Amino acid sequence: DQQVKQNSPSLSVQEGRISILNCDYTNSMFDYFLWYKKYPAEGPTFLISISSIKDKNEDGRFTVFLNKSAKHLSLHIVPSQPGDSAVYFCAAGGASGTYKYIFGTGTRLKVLA
Amino acid sequence: DAGITQSPRHKVTETGTPVTLRCHQTENHRYMYWYRQDPGHGLRLIHYSYGVKDTDKGEVSDGYSVSRSKTEDFLLTLESATSSQTSVYFCAISESILNEQFFGPGTRLTVL
Repeated sequence: DQQVKQNSPSLSVQEGRISILNCDYTNSMFDYFLWYKKYPAEGPTFLISISSIKDKNEDGRFTVFLNKSAKHLSLHIVPSQPGDSAVYFCAAGGASGTYKYIFGTGTRLKVLA
Repeated sequence: DAGITQSPRHKVTETGTPVTLRCHQTENHRYMYWYRQDPGHGLRLIHYSYGVKDTDKGEVSDGYSVSRSKTEDFLLTLESATSSQTSVYFCAISESILNEQFFGPGTRLTVL
């Protein structure tokens, strides 16, 4: 049973437009969330985080939104650039008194020039 | 970039042989993790360490063991490799609980 789901395996967006990547979770005890970007043959790179006490966090072109009641978070990239083409993973942690993160299966973003 | 290296970067081995993967960090972070990445599964935690000689199991720990005798090194051992352990293995480190984790470059392991 997957506790963290990224239901869109892939997404294509035109350069300059907004990319929206979605992530759903099932455990309401998760209280900290991370987004990572991964290029082929490299390790994941941390992008942005959000804790459950906030509903939005911004860092440059990247914004993460958290809707706790819906158990949903999303990553917005504005404007999208070709270099953003990668696989994006969300991760949720903090449940059950432990601090292990559960990762989603990833969404492959392709930004078209 | 966080100072994390993994060795080897690529390995091909045969079923039944023991394999040890090494993760080395220069950041003096307390927490270290081993993940595997497989298509359709994302990143799954194998084992993690919260200090020297302190380790715990993740969600896919069967067939794997770990050791951490120094802050900077975290070893992952497959006692008897199986084809189902063919995967890309990532090590990660973090400074404290719930902090972001920084990942190494990965080890691609093929078990024939």
